[in-house]
Amino acid sequence: SQQGEEDPQALSIQEGENATMNCSYKTSINNLQWYRQNSGRGLVHLILIRSNEREKHSGRLRVTLDTSKKSSSLLITASRAADTASYFCATGPMDTGRRALTFGSGTRLQVQP
Amino acid sequence: NAGVTQTPKFQVLKTGQSMTLQCAQDMNHEYMSWYRQDPGMGLRLIHYSVGAGITDQGEVPNGYNVSRSTTEDFPLRLLSAAPSQTSVYFCASSFLTGKTEAFFGQGTRLTVV
Repeated sequence: SQQGEEDPQALSIQEGENATMNCSYKTSINNLQWYRQNSGRGLVHLILIRSNEREKHSGRLRVTLDTSKKSSSLLITASRAADTASYFCATGPMDTGRRALTFGSGTRLQVQP
Repeated sequence: NAGVTQTPKFQVLKTGQSMTLQCAQDMNHEYMSWYRQDPGMGLRLIHYSVGAGITDQGEVPNGYNVSRSTTEDFPLRLLSAAPSQTSVYFCASSFLTGKTEAFFGQGTRLTVV
């Protein structure tokens, strides 16, 4: 079963606009991560936010985490055509004994030049 | 650095055939995992390993087998291919399970006819 669910499933914006993607999850987590996947390629790690953090920045990326609502958002500012990709959230479990990252179904972002 | 290397990149199998998907990493990561990606379903965990000689099942293990004889290699075996196993397969590695960023291979696109 999917732990994370991204919203929206697809997003189309113009270059220079901001893109916001949301992720909701079901169980307690140790951390939440965002990944990007270009068409036909593997996933690339973007940013990790731990459960005791509320906001994190990396370049044009801003991630927020609300553990009380079990949700996270990824904001890409001043988007570029090269940002066109699918974006996935992934949650790391609280118990370290077994499970790996659990991924959502992703948001497909199209940035029009 | 090669990172995570998967071979082959593409494969077509007939129903009932067996094959092994190769995965190797050169980052001395303890943790390795296999995911499959199907349209609209994100990534689902097949099997994972927390170290040489230790493997465990993920969310969708049926029809797949793994072994971890070295830190570097984590092959995935399809025992008797079925059309339902048509998918894109990704291998990933990380230092710690679920607590650090994961590095992904470029994927193997498998078609079972």
